[in-house]
Amino acid sequence: RKEVEQDPGPFNVPEGATVAFNCTYSNSASQSFFWYRQDCRKEPKLLMSVYSSGNEDGRFTAQLNRASQYISLLIRDSKLSDSATYLCVVNLPGSGGGADGLTFGKGTHLIIQP
Amino acid sequence: EAQVTQNPRYLITVTGKKLTVTCSQNMNHEYMSWYRQDPGLGLRQIYYSMNVEVTDKGDVPEGYKVSRKEKRNFPLILESPSPNQTSLYFCAYIRDATGGLSNQPQHFGDGTRLSIL
Repeated sequence: RKEVEQDPGPFNVPEGATVAFNCTYSNSASQSFFWYRQDCRKEPKLLMSVYSSGNEDGRFTAQLNRASQYISLLIRDSKLSDSATYLCVVNLPGSGGGADGLTFGKGTHLIIQP
Repeated sequence: EAQVTQNPRYLITVTGKKLTVTCSQNMNHEYMSWYRQDPGLGLRQIYYSMNVEVTDKGDVPEGYKVSRKEKRNFPLILESPSPNQTSLYFCAYIRDATGGLSNQPQHFGDGTRLSIL
């Protein structure tokens, strides 16, 4: 069965530091990748899609390594407001939106400390 | 801001008393789905719907029903709730299905916290 694995953490990081975490996936046919952010007791919110060539959005950089089957999220100059759980999501092509193709990681808990 | 509205946001009820959690949208999204989120288990899909009158089971459909009689509403029905259905529930949608559903991220409603005693 397909799997998406994340280190649950928590990662305790001082404000201003750079932090990175990975998400590994088991199905090499996976085609679409996303990072979500979830605050405590709130809904997951799309942070960014992950493109093959890597992509950046402000302080956030997402990368895909197909050979080793992982995606990464790097946060530069971390802020207190970055404290949250970060979920990676992997989609298989042609899955039609069903659970057989869409897999959520269990999340990595990040705590930014003042 | 979420483009789907879930009701209720919180509910405490008792075993066996039928309940419905509504999910409504007015953005003409075709794809909608329901998830539950539990500690240590992450998000798991219950049911999804590609369009009106088209629904399919997700990972954990047992004990749940859905309907999609009209595009705007996708209610989740628990005919006989049990304590193991105590969870945080999210309705989700895809904004634009062009290019294939599997390429699109899902977006979530605000969530419904259900406690079944």
